[in-house]
Amino acid sequence: DGGITQSPKYLFRKEGQNVTLSCEQNLNHDAMYWYRQDPGQGLRLIYYSQIVNDFQKGDIAEGYSVSREKKESFPLTVTSAQKNPTAFYLCASSPGQGYNSPLHFGNGTRLTVT
Amino acid sequence: QQQVKQSPQSLIVQKGGISIINCAYENTAFDYFPWYQQFPGKGPALLIAIRPDVSEKKEGRFTISFNKSAKQFSLHIMDSQPGDSATYFCAAPRNGLYNQGGKLIFGQGTELSVKP
Repeated sequence: DGGITQSPKYLFRKEGQNVTLSCEQNLNHDAMYWYRQDPGQGLRLIYYSQIVNDFQKGDIAEGYSVSREKKESFPLTVTSAQKNPTAFYLCASSPGQGYNSPLHFGNGTRLTVT
Repeated sequence: QQQVKQSPQSLIVQKGGISIINCAYENTAFDYFPWYQQFPGKGPALLIAIRPDVSEKKEGRFTISFNKSAKQFSLHIMDSQPGDSATYFCAAPRNGLYNQGGKLIFGQGTELSVKP
């Protein structure tokens, strides 16, 4: 089945440590995205990539970094500079641009930093 | 940054009733208004979407009503079922037009609970 795989489902880290969240898609989609979900705040865009080796900051990119070396993969690193990293992180992809390119989401990674 | 304001934050409806969730936006140039449905522990999934050239779109029990002059759009769930219990998000293009590569911004979410 085609889809987006995020791993692990739950992740625990100590404050001050960097952590990388995995996102892999086999939908052959060009664009990939990272969103952060917090209770009562909806989904906020962290980074997005429309093509391999290119990515852009979203609305809350501070303290995060990404890479897009392969079409299928878009890992997100939460650095120690992120002041409030505990959240539910969602990866998404879309076939391209436009009305016929809805977002497809993975099932998320819940990160807890203590 | 443009915003999408969603209400209510939570909603409890009896089985068979109508669930109504509202969203307001700012930019009259927006060209795409989707609703996403999210079950606990899962990622959101596209439920239904509308473009501003129509005032209503219906898919089964789900209807989007669009009011361009008021800059509002609503999701109506007819004959609500316990299986509809989920969190619903409205969305709109982050800046510019979705059909030209715009990214989505999301409302705050509405947690719907349908009681049997």
